[in-house]
Amino acid sequence: NAGVTQTPKFRVLKTGQSMTLLCAQDMNHEYMYWYRQDPGMGLRLIHYSVGEGTTAKGEVPDGYNVSRLKKQNFLLGLESAAPSQTSVYFCASSYFPSDTIAKNIQYFGAGTRLSVL
Amino acid sequence: AQKVTQAQTEISVVEKEDVTLDCVYETRDTTYYLFWYKQPPSGELVFLIRRNSFDEQNEISGRYSWNFQKSTSSFNFTITASQVVDSAVYFCALSKGTGGGNKLTFGTGTQLKVEL
Repeated sequence: NAGVTQTPKFRVLKTGQSMTLLCAQDMNHEYMYWYRQDPGMGLRLIHYSVGEGTTAKGEVPDGYNVSRLKKQNFLLGLESAAPSQTSVYFCASSYFPSDTIAKNIQYFGAGTRLSVL
Repeated sequence: AQKVTQAQTEISVVEKEDVTLDCVYETRDTTYYLFWYKQPPSGELVFLIRRNSFDEQNEISGRYSWNFQKSTSSFNFTITASQVVDSAVYFCALSKGTGGGNKLTFGTGTQLKVEL
């Protein structure tokens, strides 16, 4: 059981280039999330999805787009990368929340380290 | 708005010492969940515990224990007899009980260094 898989693990971009980060989960989770982690700031939510075909903005959505065409995949796109987007990106997934034990725990991928020069 | 504060940026202890990581939260919701995650040097985020707002019972799991106090809006994490393998960044997080997309609000993390 792979859990949450992120690709690529590392990437270096030049300012203005575009790229897509892929997140795949094999736990049949309804909810998926993209966070960024910056030194001293913890993790901040970029976008999230509560189901296939749906997306919503998080705390820091500017400069990013997302798509959830399939339940198991959640893509994060950078159309024109900027140095301020240098960060570690984490994808997570969880069940539809309920009172059932462990249903709303988010499980994280290993992260993608992105540098924008 | 929800907020999580982890005032301790970095803590250094000697192996076998006990250490407590503080977490203070703010929320207007009556139903909510609190979490602790561990981020070891390898970088992944590992779930440690979830607690809902209606359950103030403290929990112990091996050398780990958690003290949830609604009166002080705190959810502190204690490691007893710390070990070098406990060295990591620890994050406290908060989510709504219902709705809101199950989003997590994270604290800024506490870097724990356990030395021999």
